[in-house]
Amino acid sequence: AQTVTQSQPEMSVQEAETVTLSCTYDTSESDYYLFWYKQPPSRQMILVIRQEAYKQQNATENRFSVNFQKAAKSFSLKISDSQLGDAAMYFCAYRFTGGGNKLTFGTGTQLKVEL
Amino acid sequence: GAVVSQHPSRVICKSGTSVKIECRSLDFQATTMFWYRQFPKQSLMLMATSNEGSKATYEQGVEKDKFLINHASLTLSTLTVTSAHPEDSSFYICSALPIISGELFFGEGSRLTVL
Repeated sequence: AQTVTQSQPEMSVQEAETVTLSCTYDTSESDYYLFWYKQPPSRQMILVIRQEAYKQQNATENRFSVNFQKAAKSFSLKISDSQLGDAAMYFCAYRFTGGGNKLTFGTGTQLKVEL
Repeated sequence: GAVVSQHPSRVICKSGTSVKIECRSLDFQATTMFWYRQFPKQSLMLMATSNEGSKATYEQGVEKDKFLINHASLTLSTLTVTSAHPEDSSFYICSALPIISGELFFGEGSRLTVL
């Protein structure tokens, strides 16, 4: 079974600084997707960034980028120039392409942004 | 972006009653919808996969007779919590998979409180 692990229950970052959230996963599959979702206090799940496993290039979306290390099964999220609005719970998620599009979520990392 | 709406957003009911939560894709058709449960400060746990026109597929440990899922159309899936008890109190979230896209879209969630 696939598992997703986020070892940092909480992280803090100063406004305008950079923070990296860690995620590791376990799978025997070679074709899959990885995601980072943001869940603010409103509880609405928001897709931050996605990475296809077959792509070697790390995905980037504005201030958000990932470090995808397929051999190490690691998928960290880097947030640059942190803003107050980035404060939220962040979930790493895995989806196997042949698994009916089901998402497996990590336990989440609560990110606090301080002035 | 695509919109998925859940209703009601909050519901309080007495123990022993049944509660229905709706998940609608407002601007796209979805053959597959997913129902998740989220306890406070915890991750999303997949309860079941809802397929239009067929029976839902439940995850291990989820009582199908307690959590009835109906996906009667390409834009609507419902989750009915039957004979609700206080331990069923939780945040329930749905997500929908558009027919023409591989991207999942999440509803705003529904908070159920059973007294």
